Amino acid sequence: GEDVEQSLFLSVREGDSSVINCTYTDSSSTYLYWYKQEPGAGLQLLTYIFSNMDMKQDQRLTVLLNKKDKHLSLRIADTQTGDSAIYFCAEMFSGGYNKLIFGAGTRLAVHP
Amino acid sequence: EAQVTQNPRYLITVTGKKLTVTCSQNMNHEYMSWYRQDPGLGLRQIYYSMNVEVTDKGDVPEGYKVSRKEKRNFPLILESPSPNQTSLYFCASSYRSNTEAFFGQGTRLTVV
Repeated sequence: GEDVEQSLFLSVREGDSSVINCTYTDSSSTYLYWYKQEPGAGLQLLTYIFSNMDMKQDQRLTVLLNKKDKHLSLRIADTQTGDSAIYFCAEMFSGGYNKLIFGAGTRLAVHP
Repeated sequence: EAQVTQNPRYLITVTGKKLTVTCSQNMNHEYMSWYRQDPGLGLRQIYYSMNVEVTDKGDVPEGYKVSRKEKRNFPLILESPSPNQTSLYFCASSYRSNTEAFFGQGTRLTVV
């Protein structure tokens, strides 16, 4: 069945780069997403990438997609304390149903 | 402002007392979904709707009902809530099945 996996915790120093990794199983997914959830808040779409792309850059965010290995990563450059949050990787289920399949989320802690 | 609005944000109720969580979107989106978020599991789809009067089960529909009488509204109904439905619930909408999903702020439900 479909599954998305990501590591649960990441701790980085302020100013360093953060890299959050994700693996997925549905090779037919057309869209892959990164969502951010701050404490007590909803889900904010950070960025997404089409499956026919290898990389997408958006200001401090860089998404890399390796379709062969079904591996997605999110790099945050110059990480700030405001980046502390839970980051969810998600794929759009290729079978329809308007279903996003989420990983369990990676909690990013940024320390001085 | 384009948004998905859920109410209430927080709810504590007792086992067996029927409740409804409302969801409304102002973007004229066709697709709407309900998810629940549990620690270590990410978000899982409960129900989705492709248009008015068209709804279908997601991955975890047991104990829930939905309706879609109008395009903008997609309420989630718990006829007889149980403690295992204590969770954080999110409503989402999108223009099509594989386009960006916009999420509400979430409803934290506790069933005692």
